Amino acid sequence: VQLVESGGGFVQPGGSLRLSCAASEFTFSDYAMSWVRQAPGKGLEWVSVISASGATTYYADSVKGRFTISRDNSKSILFLQMASLRAEDTAIYYCARSKSRWELLGGFDYWGQGTLVTVS
Amino acid sequence: QSALTQPASVSGSPEESITISCTGSSSDVGGFNFVSWYQQHPGKAPKVMIYDVTKRPSGVSNRFSGSKSGNTASLTISGLQAEDEADYYCSSFTGSNTYVFGTGTKVSVL
Repeated sequence: VQLVESGGGFVQPGGSLRLSCAASEFTFSDYAMSWVRQAPGKGLEWVSVISASGATTYYADSVKGRFTISRDNSKSILFLQMASLRAEDTAIYYCARSKSRWELLGGFDYWGQGTLVTVS
Repeated sequence: QSALTQPASVSGSPEESITISCTGSSSDVGGFNFVSWYQQHPGKAPKVMIYDVTKRPSGVSNRFSGSKSGNTASLTISGLQAEDEADYYCSSFTGSNTYVFGTGTKVSVL
């Protein structure tokens, strides 16, 4: 299983950014996927989840209305569209696979290496 | 969506056993058996050590074990080794279709 994030970088407050997570070595369309972030020197924070089909999504209150999770199962890519970015969104963003094909938020078995987003 | 409560740090000597607690509520830890524990070394991605409260993924040492009582979950590391020095995070599904992590515990091997 491989998960490779990209799209991070510097952005001004109020700006937008789209993150991608390219998945390989497993049947991407069988698993729910999440984004988890970690501010510099801080703990982990769950951001959002999308079901295997893409029909169901949930968000943390801290990003609801500003972030949109989506996926392209034909290309095995997960996305996170981030808008109205704030300084407190500065973090490493990880994509993570749900540990079971039948669960949405039961835990994660594989993580990418993360991509850094800096809002300043 | 308040973070689960963990001690900031726990330390132990090599070969000793340590236990990290993770306290939540009946809406998360106490209400579901979807508690996981993750190990994170500096600059690395988290790695699952325990899932579904007590289950250990293949490849994870049997020195790691998990349990739960009421609203508090625990991770025990037996026979502490130098490579166990890392940050540990508990996590749980919540009743509002969200997911919450613990505040994190830094484990030091003396």
